[in-house]
Amino acid sequence: GAGVSQSPSNKVTEKGKDVELRCDPISGHTALYWYRQSLGQGLEFLIYFQGNSAPDKSGLPSDRFSAERTGGSVSTLTIQRTQQEDSAVYLCASSPDYRDRVSPLHFGNGTRLTVT
Amino acid sequence: AQSVAQPEDQVNVAEGNPLTVKCTYSVSGNPYLFWYVQYPNRGLQFLLKYITGDNLVKGSYGFEAEFNKSQTSFHLKKPSALVSDSALYFCAVRGSSNSGYALNFGKGTSLLVT
Repeated sequence: GAGVSQSPSNKVTEKGKDVELRCDPISGHTALYWYRQSLGQGLEFLIYFQGNSAPDKSGLPSDRFSAERTGGSVSTLTIQRTQQEDSAVYLCASSPDYRDRVSPLHFGNGTRLTVT
Repeated sequence: AQSVAQPEDQVNVAEGNPLTVKCTYSVSGNPYLFWYVQYPNRGLQFLLKYITGDNLVKGSYGFEAEFNKSQTSFHLKKPSALVSDSALYFCAVRGSSNSGYALNFGKGTSLLVT
């Protein structure tokens, strides 16, 4: 596609429910990154994928968070048993290859998650 | 660890005046530095980058940035600010291989042009 696409753009959920956030990267980009943007916390790196592989999951905030990527394309970030502190904007970005440090990351418009 | 710092939470500038948004970095090895802008309810848009070469880097929308190795700074500049430049600006540096060279961001600087 023309850019990184994220859905939904907004999600309101009740505390304790599970949510799934979707990211569709730029076609051909093998590297995919998830970030969380919270008021007062800035931009927090969560996890990256090279192809379908996520070598390091230590950046995920808790074991309620998981992420997967299939077919080297679409990625989903799942939050189980949501808590109010999970409320934030979740941003996805992609780049041609994770080893390519010269290329910028291309960001989607994010999913604004509100947990009530 | 590769990191950047943005010392100002907010910068206020009159339209037509030059603007500067400050960023300092701390890296081991060569820095790969980036500036992004974020408008309300939007993702981050890439403005410019410094990898190597000329210390003055030109980017989108008339922005430029000056890389200063001795001061470990990478300040964003524009000769004449526009009201439409009002937004949140982030400086970033490529992290380590452990994170897939993910960008490490500063906390952001809110630019208000009036």
